[in-house]
Amino acid sequence: EPEVTQTPSHQVTQMGQEVILRCVPISNHLYFYWYRQILGQKVEFLVSFYNNEISEKSEIFDDQFSVERPDGSNFTLKIRSTKLEDSAMYFCASSGVRGAYNEQFFGPGTRLTVL
Amino acid sequence: RKEVEQDPGPFNVPEGATVAFNCTYSNSASQSFFWYRQDCRKEPKLLMSVYSSGNEDGRFTAQLNRASQYISLLIRDSKLSDSATYLCVVNQAGTALIFGKGTTLSVSS
Repeated sequence: EPEVTQTPSHQVTQMGQEVILRCVPISNHLYFYWYRQILGQKVEFLVSFYNNEISEKSEIFDDQFSVERPDGSNFTLKIRSTKLEDSAMYFCASSGVRGAYNEQFFGPGTRLTVL
Repeated sequence: RKEVEQDPGPFNVPEGATVAFNCTYSNSASQSFFWYRQDCRKEPKLLMSVYSSGNEDGRFTAQLNRASQYISLLIRDSKLSDSATYLCVVNQAGTALIFGKGTTLSVSS
């Protein structure tokens, strides 16, 4: 069964450093997403991406964040200068269609720890 | 006002029990509705989409009441493996999924 994969599974970084989280969406999917989940809290939407551009973003997704699809398979989230409050689980998701019932499938996540 | 609200639980039930979870959402323009399941420190996994007419998948039944902005999930004949957090999720006009905080279920033998 096709699945979303993410690397690394755990990233530890110092405050102020840049991190890049990587995702390989399901191969025939066209829509890609990043979510985060701070420990003990709900899953929160960050950004969606389609046709090589951002289609929607939340207020969390400020100038410190950027996304890219550098090739035909990878989808990345970059955090330019990490803060302590960026520590969270970051989930990548993908879906094949947009609109109603765009069932999104999640990767296993990258646990980011900012020290 | 929270966008998606769920009773956090925990719900502690014996194997074989029937358990129901409820969820309310605040945005009447919400277009699609889902239940996801999340095991501890794992990713959310789609359990089922929720359709206006209600739908069933084996032991799981989901209902939607658009007038009351209310979604439910019924689990019959609970198994130990059903122990998890159940996330109520809505999609509004765009691409973002809006998650509730989840309801924790613990099934014991």
